[in-house]
Amino acid sequence: EVQLVESGGGLVQPGGSLRLSCAASGFTFSSYEMNWVRQAPGKGLEWVSYISSSGSTIYYADSVKGRFTISRDNSKNSLYLQMNSLRAEDTAVYYCAKDNGFRSGWYDYWGQGALVTVSS
Amino acid sequence: QSVLTQPPSASGTPGQRVTISCSGSSSNIGSNYVYWYQQLPGTAPKLLIYRNNQRPSGVPDRFSGSKSAASASLAISGLRSEDEADYYCAAWDDSLSGVVFGGGTKLTVL
Repeated sequence: EVQLVESGGGLVQPGGSLRLSCAASGFTFSSYEMNWVRQAPGKGLEWVSYISSSGSTIYYADSVKGRFTISRDNSKNSLYLQMNSLRAEDTAVYYCAKDNGFRSGWYDYWGQGALVTVSS
Repeated sequence: QSVLTQPPSASGTPGQRVTISCSGSSSNIGSNYVYWYQQLPGTAPKLLIYRNNQRPSGVPDRFSGSKSAASASLAISGLRSEDEADYYCAAWDDSLSGVVFGGGTKLTVL
């Protein structure tokens, strides 16, 4: 059974940093591209970042470029999102999502989400 | 303002057929596959349609997807109360080098 479990969410002050983790199981993690997608309270879905299976190709949404860093450790079946210079508008539930295509938006499995609240 | 445009709301009575539209451009829907997600209240999104019109196993055939040029549609036939949810379309955007989502459509079953 495929499982994606996010952790690391919490309350952080504006300008602060936070690192999210996503532990994957039930599939060959190193063979699949992964993504982070977020959802602000009461709002729609927003794609945040993509990383290829090897980690060699990475993309970011303009809204987080230069502040967020996606990475993965295939030996630990884990995906990460380092978030720096956090702003109030980064407050959201952050989902990790397994990509079943190639630069597609084909997310066949999602984690339960990790809530990040940026507030003083 | 979302790159893909969806109506904010849709509604229907049990048994009816409803459609939800998703409008994009040549850089996203016009040149890439469309995906649809269903999000029940308080839960993570669930893949409903992939590659324009394919259903993952377990998704009822009451759900169908179509695409024409730079627009796509999700149709739900035989509407049921459990279909009440938010629905999102998504596609890769070649110009943005990223995935774009529609703003979401809240479906109400009257």
